[in-house]
Amino acid sequence: RKEVEQDPGPFNVPEGATVAFNCTYSNSASQSFFWYRQDCRKEPKLLMSVYSSGNEDGRFTAQLNRASQYISLLIRDSKLSDSATYLCVVFHYGGSQGNLIFGKGTKLSVKP
Amino acid sequence: DAEITQSPRHKITETGRQVTLACHQTWNHNNMFWYRQDLGHGLRLIHYSYGVQDTNKGEVSDGYSVSRSNTEDLPLTLESAASSQTSVYFCASSRDRVNEQFFGPGTRLTVL
Repeated sequence: RKEVEQDPGPFNVPEGATVAFNCTYSNSASQSFFWYRQDCRKEPKLLMSVYSSGNEDGRFTAQLNRASQYISLLIRDSKLSDSATYLCVVFHYGGSQGNLIFGKGTKLSVKP
Repeated sequence: DAEITQSPRHKITETGRQVTLACHQTWNHNNMFWYRQDLGHGLRLIHYSYGVQDTNKGEVSDGYSVSRSNTEDLPLTLESAASSQTSVYFCASSRDRVNEQFFGPGTRLTVL
């Protein structure tokens, strides 16, 4: 089982739609969770951290379920500018003293 | 403004040549990382450093080396470039291990 698995995508949605991405992680000792956004041919950038109680940033809502080892990202009222690849990222201390583990990403395309 | 830069942004080289990719950050971050990103694999960690004179192997370190002689720089060297090392390389830095990594703009390397 891969350490971080995401919906394969791509997701093609119309402007204004609500879209949800899911992610599962295999290491129950994982301590920190993030969603990164990567635009085409650009570097990844932090979108938001994910907290145990769930958190919201404008149109974006992140949820964490530690019991199920599951993370989600909900985007409401999608904009054309939301088109990008969304990376689920998990941190845990491992044999290499701990590093971020990146999922392969889910591609979102928002159409007019 | 603090930043992280990579050079060159694009490079074409031949099999067997030694190649060095530069990474420079002005945040004074202790932690620096090198990743490669390929279709179907996502971001994979090559090497990382938690401070001056500290270097560690990541998931895909074979054929690569790094050195950390100061806080600002972590150059990545391909000892003898192979076609399998054709990829996009991202450098990143972070203030501490559990939090956000800031990525450079990437270097697109082609090995012929």
